[in-house]
Amino acid sequence: DTEVTQTPKHLVMGMTNKKSLKCEQHMGHRAMYWYKQKAKKPPELMFVYSYEKLSINESVPSRFSPECPNSSLLNLHLHALQPEDSALYLCASSQEVPGQRYYNEQFFGPGTRLTVL
Amino acid sequence: AQTVTQSQPEMSVQEAETVTLSCTYDTSESNYYLFWYKQPPSRQMILVIRQEAYKQQNATENRFSVNFQKAAKSFSLKISDSQLGDTAMYFCAFISNAGKSTFGDGTTLTVKP
Repeated sequence: DTEVTQTPKHLVMGMTNKKSLKCEQHMGHRAMYWYKQKAKKPPELMFVYSYEKLSINESVPSRFSPECPNSSLLNLHLHALQPEDSALYLCASSQEVPGQRYYNEQFFGPGTRLTVL
Repeated sequence: AQTVTQSQPEMSVQEAETVTLSCTYDTSESNYYLFWYKQPPSRQMILVIRQEAYKQQNATENRFSVNFQKAAKSFSLKISDSQLGDTAMYFCAFISNAGKSTFGDGTTLTVKP
């Protein structure tokens, strides 16, 4: 299984809602990533988890809360979002190699298209 | 901090022709990896090719090859025998040893029949 799955595919939420995005991989990868991508723009790194521990937080607002409950799952909890948070949210994973932690190819999921009204 | 620059926002090529997408980067690190990713319209991001900075030999993957010039911090992608399915946005990406990935702004490539 060489796939990263993300649910839901589409999500529309109001500014007072609480929702969660889910990402799953069964490739045995121990590094997982959240990216935000606006239309026709590059992905922007948000968070990196390594061995289920948060290793990078790119100064993301606290209304985005990541969680890694186990080595296969990565969640992104959303609360009190703003319309400018509307974007495609991509999850990715990569295999850890001793001494080359992040150098391997990142496998991307199809993304969740989020609209905040 | 690292930066990645793709100076060609849009390019087009005739089917079966060859096209080169440019990428330059800036970093103070000595060990890193560079990647080219492809994102077709409304479809998933997939890896095209990767290059280890410590390797002098340019990477190749079938019709895709890179010209890696480490001293010049240049990493261009050559696509030979272009096919309609190559139409996509192409991102050059740098990944540091600390796990921070930086993507260029992308080049939208259109292959014309």
